[in-house]
Amino acid sequence: GQNIDQPTEMTATEGAIVQINCTYQTSGFNGLFWYQQHAGEAPTFLSYNVLDGLEEKGRFSSFLSRSKGYSYLLLKELQMKDSASYLCAVRDSNYQLIWGAGTKLIIKP
Amino acid sequence: EADIYQTPRYLVIGTGKKITLECSQTMGHDKMYWYQQDPGMELHLIHYSYGVNSTEKGDLSSESTVSRIRTEHFPLTLESARPSHTSQYLCASSPGWDASPLHFGNGTRLTVT
Repeated sequence: GQNIDQPTEMTATEGAIVQINCTYQTSGFNGLFWYQQHAGEAPTFLSYNVLDGLEEKGRFSSFLSRSKGYSYLLLKELQMKDSASYLCAVRDSNYQLIWGAGTKLIIKP
Repeated sequence: EADIYQTPRYLVIGTGKKITLECSQTMGHDKMYWYQQDPGMELHLIHYSYGVNSTEKGDLSSESTVSRIRTEHFPLTLESARPSHTSQYLCASSPGWDASPLHFGNGTRLTVT
């Protein structure tokens, strides 16, 4: 079966750095997405990786290793507004998105 | 500024009722999707569409139907609501297969009593 694993919950301090990991086992691979979802709101797109390596976008960076079935989202200079769930999703060989359950990130002052 | 709209935002309805959740997008996207999401759980694909007059079933397609008569409109109908249908329903669209992300609506929170 297809599976995506993320930690259920993480806590970090305002101003710090946090890394959210995602491991996947899917039928084929056609890209990995990270989304941010605030409570009661819709997911919003953060980043996309299809080749190995690091993609940087402001305070957020995303890394992919296809051989290891592994990705992480790195958030720097954490702000209180970064408190949200972070969803990892992989596009499989049929171009369908397989979703993780999300990581709830709690930011403390 | 939302480019994909869902109505209603909240709905409380009794068991056995037929309901239609509306979704419209103004971006001209060919691909549209319906997902169900429970708190702390992954998104589950209910139905999707590649374009007008094209609809496909996802993992949770039973007991619901969709139609795609116009590019911008993708309504979801539950023929007979049950308490197990209580959930958040998210509509999304995208322009293509590659790096294009999904754009989500704000969702419909459905409660079936």
